[in-house]
Amino acid sequence: DAEITQSPRHKITETGRQVTLACHQTWNHNNMFWYRQDLGHGLRLIHYSYGVQDTNKGEVSDGYSVSRSNTEDLPLTLESAASSQTSVYFCASSAGGPNYEQYFGPGTRLTVT
Amino acid sequence: DAKTTQPPSMDCAEGRAANLPCNHSTISGNEYVYWYRQIHSQGPQYIIHGLKNNETNEMASLIITEDRKSSTLILPHATLRDTAVYYCIKRGGSNYKLTFGKGTLLTVNP
Repeated sequence: DAEITQSPRHKITETGRQVTLACHQTWNHNNMFWYRQDLGHGLRLIHYSYGVQDTNKGEVSDGYSVSRSNTEDLPLTLESAASSQTSVYFCASSAGGPNYEQYFGPGTRLTVT
Repeated sequence: DAKTTQPPSMDCAEGRAANLPCNHSTISGNEYVYWYRQIHSQGPQYIIHGLKNNETNEMASLIITEDRKSSTLILPHATLRDTAVYYCIKRGGSNYKLTFGKGTLLTVNP
């Protein structure tokens, strides 16, 4: 069955380290998204991509970067991890146009100490 | 600013219908209403969406008022596994982004 996976599921890192969170989908969806979820804020969009070589900033993109070299993967990189980036990160993908539903991965819980 | 209003919490007895309301202060003609839910510690799950007609799928029904500012998500026979936070989201035009509010915590009781 097609699916969307995230790895690792849990990560503890130190302030200042570079961290990359993986997202892989097997639906062949063009659109992929990264969100973070914090208590009191709901889910907030970090970056998104409409296809290979396309990336766009969301509402909370500072300190994060993404690259899209193929259809299946959209890795999220924290260039220099900060304690404020401790959060649960969700990746999502969708087909076609903007009114297609998004399918979410299981999430990665990141702790920056 | 446009505002989406959902009750913070609701309770429902197992086997009964759960009716979750949502109100939008404004909604444009090309904006759809989406419903997602998030079971504790899991990623959000798509439930249903609609523009102006009522919709039904295997999970739920969606009732949209004529002015489209109000919608109701109906889970016809709630089970304990339906306990989750339910989000009502409007999205339209070329906007791919989902903006999640605080949602409604639905607790299904045995």
